[in-house]
Amino acid sequence: GEDVEQSLFLSVREGDSSVINCTYTDSSSTYLYWYKQEPGAGLQLLTYIFSNMDMKQDQRLTVLLNKKDKHLSLRIADTQTGDSAIYFCAHLPNNAGNMLTFGGGTRLMVKP
Amino acid sequence: EPEVTQTPSHQVTQMGQEVILRCVPISNHLYFYWYRQILGQKVEFLVSFYNNEISEKSEIFDDQFSVERPDGSNFTLKIRSTKLEDSAMYFCASGGGLQETQYFGPGTRLLVL
Repeated sequence: GEDVEQSLFLSVREGDSSVINCTYTDSSSTYLYWYKQEPGAGLQLLTYIFSNMDMKQDQRLTVLLNKKDKHLSLRIADTQTGDSAIYFCAHLPNNAGNMLTFGGGTRLMVKP
Repeated sequence: EPEVTQTPSHQVTQMGQEVILRCVPISNHLYFYWYRQILGQKVEFLVSFYNNEISEKSEIFDDQFSVERPDGSNFTLKIRSTKLEDSAMYFCASGGGLQETQYFGPGTRLLVL
């Protein structure tokens, strides 16, 4: 079945850029999402990209999609301590109705 | 900004007991979902619900699970006879249409003893 993979952990210094990566196996994608989970909280939608796009920018967030390599990334510019959280990518394959498939999450730690 | 809400935030139950987890989706949404996240594991899809019936379900969603929309605002997940392995964070989500963005609630942490 569909598999979505992320690295487990990323540590950056405040003010630096963070890049969180995600790979997926099913090429029949429609939308790909980034969700943020702060400790004890739910899944907050950060941004999403449609599969016919290569890039989407939203303030400090830039999403890059390489469909050929099935690779999605989230870049956070000027990372702040409040960005410390777990970031999940999620994939909605074209033939999967509304079943989101999630990666395991990347824990971002921002050091002051 | 409208949001999905869930109650309770935490629930502790004994193995074999029934639990009902409650969700209030965003009011103009038509699609409703339950996902779960076992500690240290990925978020997994359980079920989707549209037009008062289940539209998709995963292998996890067996006969012990059921969903209901008892009125115009609530969406519930019932686990008939809980098992230890049902301990997880359960997330409700709602969306405006087929393959539209899903907005998640804060989750209910269920602990089965």
